[in-house]
Amino acid sequence: KAGVTQTPRYLIKTRGQQVTLSCSPISGHRSVSWYQQTPGQGLQFLFEYFSETQRNKGNFPGRFSGRQFSNSRSEMNVSTLELGDSALYLCASSLAGVNEKLFFGSGTQLSVL
Amino acid sequence: LAKTTQPISMDSYEGQEVNITCSHNNIATNDYITWYQQFPSQGPRFIIQGYKTKVTNEVASLFIPADRKSSTLSLPRVSLSDTAVYYCLVGDHAGNNRKLIWGLGTSLAVNP
Repeated sequence: KAGVTQTPRYLIKTRGQQVTLSCSPISGHRSVSWYQQTPGQGLQFLFEYFSETQRNKGNFPGRFSGRQFSNSRSEMNVSTLELGDSALYLCASSLAGVNEKLFFGSGTQLSVL
Repeated sequence: LAKTTQPISMDSYEGQEVNITCSHNNIATNDYITWYQQFPSQGPRFIIQGYKTKVTNEVASLFIPADRKSSTLSLPRVSLSDTAVYYCLVGDHAGNNRKLIWGLGTSLAVNP
């Protein structure tokens, strides 16, 4: 069974631009959650999608948004990028929810210049 | 909001047992405690999950006291490949918005 796939692996953007990250969950998994990881803040929960609906949300500004498609694939968008958005963005999938065993992708390393 | 507290770092030697404790004073009634392991440039990997008492699998044990305000991950006979960051995850329920709180992680260094 293929694991969680995140694309792209690396991304370089400049301030003010927007970016879209993609996540393909494990086949059969309906929950996809997103996380931001930085050296100073550790892993922080962004949001979770289940059956195309955002079910849970962390404490991030509205510039961070996401969506999930009918095949459970998910995208995360960050608009008006700031230097502080530089981070490793991870997505995880699970069968039904974030309290279950999560399977993580390798992440997208975003650098904002 | 539930908050988790773990030691920032720990050192050990090959063959020793390592115990990492996580404090989570405001854990919700229906929440489970889950531990993950993360190597550099990789996403976290599930280690073990429990609700109460003791859970054991092929790689670790998880001890949870009756009040559930803390948990201890036990790694028996660690090897160099166990050098990683270990995260304690507790689900926090606030109304209809479940906010997941991850600890900052414990950086475990296993020395030869």
